[in-house]
Amino acid sequence: ETAVFQTPNYHVTQVGNEVSFNCKQTLGHDTMYWYKQDSKKLLKIMFSYNNKQLIVNETVPRRFSPQSSDKAHLNLRIKSVEPEDSAVYLCASSPGRNSDYTFGSGTRLLVI
Amino acid sequence: QQKVQQSPESLTVSEGAMASLNCTFSDGTSNNFRWYRQHSAKGLEVLVSIFSDGEKEEGRFTAHLNRANLHVSLHIREPQPSDSAVYLCAVMGSGSWQLIFGSGTQLTVMP
Repeated sequence: ETAVFQTPNYHVTQVGNEVSFNCKQTLGHDTMYWYKQDSKKLLKIMFSYNNKQLIVNETVPRRFSPQSSDKAHLNLRIKSVEPEDSAVYLCASSPGRNSDYTFGSGTRLLVI
Repeated sequence: QQKVQQSPESLTVSEGAMASLNCTFSDGTSNNFRWYRQHSAKGLEVLVSIFSDGEKEEGRFTAHLNRANLHVSLHIREPQPSDSAVYLCAVMGSGSWQLIFGSGTQLTVMP
């Protein structure tokens, strides 16, 4: 099956902990993305990774860091989570920057 | 910074009646527009991509783009209860790497 796979589906953690989310795509795409979706369903881009070049959204707090071992994987690490980090994190991939995106089913994070 | 706004925030239609969703954007040089659907607790499914003024049809879904009016709409023909979901408009500006999303329209289709 070719798609974008995210793990875990759901994660609950306490303020100050570190979390990592995994994303893998089997579509052979060159570009991957992380989006954050808040409680009002608004999606905001966090990172894009295209052929080993990382593009960072300047509004993303420094406790967030993407990690990529190859073009099929783009993980997300959050050091010292805060309550406002509670959200759904969506990973996506595309063949190129202007092509259609394929999204994963998301990782829902709850920080208590 | 590109701003994308959707209306209405929520819409209820009867099964079989046309559903129309609206999206306005602020950057008139934008050249890449998409409509996505998101069922509860699931990922996003692309419905229609449109890159030039006019109309683009994909099955029961039709997008209309008018860049002069900074407006793109989605029309759903013969909606069914299974079409109940959040519909998201997304816009990419010329030369940008970011796909900017609107805040969505919650569509409910009543049997």
